[in-house]
Amino acid sequence: QVQLQESGPGLVKPSETLSLTCTVSGGSISGYYWSWIRQPPGKGLEWIGFIYYNGGTDYNPSLKSRVTISADTSKNQLSLNLRSVTAADTAVYHCARDGVGGQPLQPWGQGTLVTVSS
Amino acid sequence: QSVLTQPPSASVTPGQRVTISCSGGSSNIGNNYVHWYQQLPGAAPKLLIYRNHQRPSGVPDRFSGSKSGTSASLAISGLRSEDEAQYFCAAWDDSLSGVVFGGGTKLTVL
Repeated sequence: QVQLQESGPGLVKPSETLSLTCTVSGGSISGYYWSWIRQPPGKGLEWIGFIYYNGGTDYNPSLKSRVTISADTSKNQLSLNLRSVTAADTAVYHCARDGVGGQPLQPWGQGTLVTVSS
Repeated sequence: QSVLTQPPSASVTPGQRVTISCSGGSSNIGNNYVHWYQQLPGAAPKLLIYRNHQRPSGVPDRFSGSKSGTSASLAISGLRSEDEAQYFCAAWDDSLSGVVFGGGTKLTVL
């Protein structure tokens, strides 16, 4: 079965770039959409954006100016970069398969907590 | 504030039935499928109901979903202690061209 695992620094300084990787095992990223979602502590989930395996992307307008999602088919990995972070970007970040156009998000990674603090 | 509205919490006793609501609008629930997820503490969210009422393989028939207009509901019958979790709804939003979520409902089995 397909499994997703997020990884990256747990602490990022304000104004710097948050960079996370999602490693997919048990299946190929080819042929699918892949989404990033985050959940600030005590708050609801927020869709960040998605990427098609061939590189096509779309982002939440509220984050579009600061976010880049990419895919590496040779490594079977997805990446998330969020620039100029503030404390408001502190959240658990999840990657998940699909979610586009009415398809369910399944499966999800467990998520990784990123804290923005000096 | 989440685009989809759910009650923040619900408490029930074992064996009872609970219904969790999810309210949205015409650009999301009103025009697209609703999906429901279960999240146990420290675990990845798990798909519970997809396309309004479909159950993935392995999900017990104690879990059921429905949708009417711009609202949807998740019903859980014969509640067990292991059902204690966070439940949230999600739907595609045509205006956002992205996924919107409910704020989540924390279910406590007393």
